[in-house]
Amino acid sequence: SAVISQKPSRDICQRGTSLTIQCQVDSQVTMMFWYRQQPGQSLTLIATANQGSEATYESGFVIDKFPISRPNLTFSTLTVSNMSPEDSSIYLCSVVIQVNTEAFFGQGTRLTVV
Amino acid sequence: ELKVEQNPLFLSMQEGKNYTIYCNYSTTSDRLYWYRQDPGKSLESLFVLLSNGAVKQEGRLMASLDTKARLSTLHITAAVHDLSATYFCAVVYAGNNRKLIWGLGTSLAVNP
Repeated sequence: SAVISQKPSRDICQRGTSLTIQCQVDSQVTMMFWYRQQPGQSLTLIATANQGSEATYESGFVIDKFPISRPNLTFSTLTVSNMSPEDSSIYLCSVVIQVNTEAFFGQGTRLTVV
Repeated sequence: ELKVEQNPLFLSMQEGKNYTIYCNYSTTSDRLYWYRQDPGKSLESLFVLLSNGAVKQEGRLMASLDTKARLSTLHITAAVHDLSATYFCAVVYAGNNRKLIWGLGTSLAVNP
């Protein structure tokens, strides 16, 4: 398994500002993902964070709004830019240690935009 | 496009009863996962199912996979209140990035 530290755990932000969420893993992992989850709903994949290159975004998500970095095999950040109340959600970091093994999740960041 | 359907989406059951949650997926995949999520918490991996006919059990939960029918089941035996949670199935998309495609989740409430 992997120990994932995701920060911050929650935040309340003003609209128009940006928030950067950090995901730190205690061991090297092959894949890192960022998800969004509305309360009571399923997970929506935002993007796959690629080490040393641009993230792979899912339909409906763009780099200008959700820039992602992954400088090495244990760390990634997701920025939610120019926030609006519609961005209020839980954001989850997920990692896969080796290809074709299960994914592990951070504790999530509960974001409220006011 | 791979789609994953779970049913039921909501389940209220009495302690001591048995029930099954179903997970159907639309195209071929080589592995399926079951996760549990408690309210306000993150996701916890329950089972990894890799091959046709795979069956795994942990306590009162048993998961199985039929790749020919593209169906997985999560069976609950003699439910207890501690099993109240939301259960998700997720199927690996066989494309390059091997991303997971998620079901909508089954919200389970076990009542005394």
